[in-house]
This record gives sequence, structure tokens and C-alpha cells, in this order.
Amino acid sequence: AQRVTQPEKLLSVFKGAPVELKCNYSYSGSPELFWYVQYSRQRLQLLLRHISRESIKGFTADLNKGETSFHLKKPFAQEEDSAMYYCALKLRSGTYKYIFGTGTRLKVLA
Amino acid sequence: GAGVSQSPRYKVTKRGQDVALRCDPISGHVSLYWYRQALGQGPEFLTYFNYEAQQDKSGLPNDRFSAERPEGSISTLTIQRTEQRDSAMYRCASSLEQGINTGELFFGEGSRLTVL
Repeated sequence: AQRVTQPEKLLSVFKGAPVELKCNYSYSGSPELFWYVQYSRQRLQLLLRHISRESIKGFTADLNKGETSFHLKKPFAQEEDSAMYYCALKLRSGTYKYIFGTGTRLKVLA
Repeated sequence: GAGVSQSPRYKVTKRGQDVALRCDPISGHVSLYWYRQALGQGPEFLTYFNYEAQQDKSGLPNDRFSAERPEGSISTLTIQRTEQRDSAMYRCASSLEQGINTGELFFGEGSRLTVL
């Protein structure tokens, strides 16, 4: 079955420290992975997608098909990075729905 | 409007009542998705449409839940005979692209349903 796993519900780091939010997926097809973010009192919004291979707000994520992972990384966390982060998998066969993980709350401490 | 609009933002109802949640997507967006999110959980897929066609309704939990998008724009998610376990945030998202073409999902602010 298709599944997205985010093992950490809460991740607390100090400002300036590196951040890694973990995401693993289970899917037999060709995966398409995303990170969505929800800042306080804002809507859920796209942060980045693996096909773009881009860095957004200093965040990067590399799709590792061997480890079925798509971890989100940032070398130096900022206080404004504090938010809820969701990893999402888009299915690409028969249906094109998105499956979301349970989310990780990132708290960046001053 | 500038973004995806959902109404009502908050709905409190008594067990057994029917509720209708509305989603007005960004103009021109082809795909429309409904998700349910319980506290402490991620968004759970319910159903999605391309234009007016319901492409996948595998996430609807039972036959009390239904959704429509009759003119390929506004969508309504209806829950009949509500139960306390239906209490959750209901999120709508739209996308310019459809199918294998990947577009960004634009989310609304959500409708928080509380069933007493």
C-alpha cells in the first residue's frame, strides 16, 4: 500500500543549527514527492518538489529511491522556519491523488 | 478571488444533522481535491475531481459522505447524518494541472466541523 511516514512529530533545534526532517515513502510506481509547509495562521502551501531540484528558503530535499526517502534539509535554521511540515507523495498510475504524511512540527529556538 | 475559498470556516452541528461544505477553487483550476485532517494527523485524502468528473472517491469513509462539482468549478462536500467521529478540519485544494502533469496544490483555509 502507498504510505508516507514522518517519524518525528516534533523537532526542536537552536537557531543556526542544521535541520533534517525525515520522510520515507512506500510506493511501487514512479514517485513524485513534495514538501508542504504550514506557518502559524497561514494556509498549507508548497515548499518544494523533487522534480524541480530547487532550493527554497534554504531548504533542499533529495529523492533517494534506494532508501525510499525524501528528507528535507537546511544547513542553518532560522526562527521563521518554525512551522508544520508535511511530506506528500503523488501517485501517478490509475489515480493522481496526493498522500500526505502525519507532519513534523519544527521549532527553532532562539 | 485571490485564492481557494472555503465556507463555512467553522460549523458546529448536532449528531444526526446533515452538513454541506463548500469549496470555491482558483478560477481556471482543473483539479479539485478534498482532504480531512484530524487533530495531530496529516491531511487524509477523500476525493478529487478533474473538471466536473469525480476521478477518485476511494477516500470517502462511507456512504454518508458525497461530493460533487457539477459545473467544474465550485464543489460541495456533503456529510449526511453526522457523527461525532466526523469532527475534523476539512481542507480543499485546487490545481491548475491535472493527471500526470504536476501542478502545485493551492489550499483553502479549511472548514472546521464539530459534531456534538
